[in-house]
Amino acid sequence: AQKVTQAQTEISVVEKEDVTLDCVYETRDTTYYLFWYKQPPSGELVFLIRRNSFDEQNEISGRYSWNFQKSTSSFNFTITASQVVDSAVYFCALSEVSAQGGSEKLVFGKGTKLTVNP
Amino acid sequence: NAGVTQTPKFQVLKTGQSMTLQCAQDMNHEYMSWYRQDPGMGLRLIHYSVGAGITDQGEVPNGYNVSRSTTEDFPLRLLSAAPSQTSVYFCASSYMGGYGYTFGSGTRLTVV
Repeated sequence: AQKVTQAQTEISVVEKEDVTLDCVYETRDTTYYLFWYKQPPSGELVFLIRRNSFDEQNEISGRYSWNFQKSTSSFNFTITASQVVDSAVYFCALSEVSAQGGSEKLVFGKGTKLTVNP
Repeated sequence: NAGVTQTPKFQVLKTGQSMTLQCAQDMNHEYMSWYRQDPGMGLRLIHYSVGAGITDQGEVPNGYNVSRSTTEDFPLRLLSAAPSQTSVYFCASSYMGGYGYTFGSGTRLTVV
């Protein structure tokens, strides 16, 4: 069965600190997708990144970076030089690829609430 | 480009009432799904659809009904509302899922 664990329930940092959000997943499939979503206080869900299981390259987008390691089943998210606007709940999610080639279901972690204080 | 539109944004129901949460997307996505978000639980899949006329159950389907008569619309029906269905409901759509899902803005439902 698929499972996503975000062990950090809440994290509080001071602006300009770096912060890493942990995500550990479980799946028996060899082909799957991993995602990160951001949910700001306004409540909408914002797509941040998608990674497929065959691509272990780390990715950097501005102040955001992602470290995907299949050996440890982890897909961690780092925010460099955090800002108050980064305050949100961040969700990691996993989706297996079905026999039809699509990914019909997202399995979410319980989320990590990040508070960045000025 | 509207994306995924959910209505209503807020709703209060009495126990036993029925209602339909509406979801529409204008991106010609085949995949659509409904999730509920409860405090400390993340998002859990209720029902999903991979195309018009095709639906299936997710992790928490009891008490909910869906149908998909068009590519654009995927309504979620609460047959007899219960307090346990108090939650925030999100509709999402995707092209085949692997490219990521676009979520609607959510419906906050309270059952009293």
